[in-house]
Amino acid sequence: DAGITQSPRYKITETGRQVTLMCHQTWSHSYMFWYRQDLGHGLRLIYYSAAADITDKGEVPDGYVVSRSKTENFPLTLESATRSQTSVYFCASSEFGTSGRVAFAGELFFGEGSRLTVL
Amino acid sequence: RKEVEQDPGPFNVPEGATVAFNCTYSNSASQSFFWYRQDCRKEPKLLMSVYSSGNEDGRFTAQLNRASQYISLLIRDSKLSDSATYLCVVRQGNKLVFGAGTILRVKS
Repeated sequence: DAGITQSPRYKITETGRQVTLMCHQTWSHSYMFWYRQDLGHGLRLIYYSAAADITDKGEVPDGYVVSRSKTENFPLTLESATRSQTSVYFCASSEFGTSGRVAFAGELFFGEGSRLTVL
Repeated sequence: RKEVEQDPGPFNVPEGATVAFNCTYSNSASQSFFWYRQDCRKEPKLLMSVYSSGNEDGRFTAQLNRASQYISLLIRDSKLSDSATYLCVVRQGNKLVFGAGTILRVKS
C-alpha cells in the first residue's frame, strides 16, 4: 500500500549508543522531513530534504545525522544517544510544487511515529 | 518568543458547543497557514488550509488576520469525535513551523 512508514515504532536504548530510525515513502514525494515531538514544545524540525542527496538543518539538528541516497528513504541517525533525545520522532513527506519552484502545497503526510527512550 | 504560539488549553466543552482557538505567529513573512489535527499518540493530519479571505469546511471555519498576525479556528456544533489536539502550522520558506497545539475535549 502507498504511504509513509517508520521503523522501529518503539525503541529503548542506552546513553551513548547509535540509533537509526528508518523512514520510507512510496509516493515519490520530493520533500521529506524529520520532526521530534515533546510535551510543551510541539513538533520541532530536525532535518529536511528537498530531494535525493540534498539535506538541510532544521531547528534542532544537533546530535542527529541524516542521509538521502534514494528519494524514498530518509533515515535519521542518533550518533551517540542522550537522554534528552528521548522523544517521539515523526517522519513526513510532501509533494513538490507544480510551479517548479521550491514550494509545496503544505500538506505533510506523516508516518505513525517512532517512540524512542534513551536510558 | 516562540515563532508560533497557541493557548495549550485544555478546552473542555459540551457536545453541541461552539469553540474557537487562536494562534499567533511572529514572522510577518510567513506565507501559508494551516490547521492540523492530532489524535492522542497518533500522527498529525491536515484539517484545513487557511486562506486570506477565510474559509469554511462544514462545521469548521478558519480565518487569517495578517495585520495582527493571528489565525483562528472555529468549530461549531462540537462532536465527541472532535476531541483532539489542534496544531497551528505556519509555512516559512520551505519549512513548516508547528505550534505546540491546543487540546480540545468534548464531553457528553
